[in-house]
Amino acid sequence: RKEVEQDPGPFNVPEGATVAFNCTYSNSASQSFFWYRQDCRKEPKLLMSVYSSGNEDGRFTAQLNRASQYISLLIRDSKLSDSATYLCAVNMAGTGRRALTFGSGTRLQVQP
Amino acid sequence: DARVTQTPRHKVTEMGQEVTMRCQPILGHNTVFWYRQTMMQGLELLAYFRNRAPLDDSGMPKDRFSAEMPDATLATLKIQPSEPRDSAVYFCASGLVTTGDVSPLHFGNGTRLTVT
Repeated sequence: RKEVEQDPGPFNVPEGATVAFNCTYSNSASQSFFWYRQDCRKEPKLLMSVYSSGNEDGRFTAQLNRASQYISLLIRDSKLSDSATYLCAVNMAGTGRRALTFGSGTRLQVQP
Repeated sequence: DARVTQTPRHKVTEMGQEVTMRCQPILGHNTVFWYRQTMMQGLELLAYFRNRAPLDDSGMPKDRFSAEMPDATLATLKIQPSEPRDSAVYFCASGLVTTGDVSPLHFGNGTRLTVT
């Protein structure tokens, strides 16, 4: 089992739709969680951190479910400009590693 | 805005040649990471340094890859000799790492390496 798993997609949604992605992680001791956005042929850019109580940034909502070991990203009112690959990242605490492990990403295509 | 700077942006080389990639982390960040991204494997962690000391390079093929951080403003990743399977995008990232936590990482633009 991979340490961090994502559905690769693609998720094809119309403009204005609401879409949600999940990301599961294997290490129950993980402490830090993030969502990154990566455009084609560009570097990953931080979209938002994920806090235990859930957090929102405009049209984006991130949530953490420790019991089931997954994080989620909800995008409301999708825009064409939201088309990208969304990567989740997890700090594998307890393994001795002090680095982020990334999922393979979920591709989102928002269509007019 | 502070940025992680990587050079070169693109590198095309022949099998067997040496490749050196350079990274200038964000000032004040204490940890530098090297990741490799391919379509098949996604983003893989190769190595990372904290306060210039190598912490973990278990993700790196040791026979041909080496990573160093000669000073706080420069990290290097070297491949010698390069092979076609090394073709990938190599990202440098920096962040703040404490005993218990890892801050969000900031990535450089990446080096797109093609080995023919």
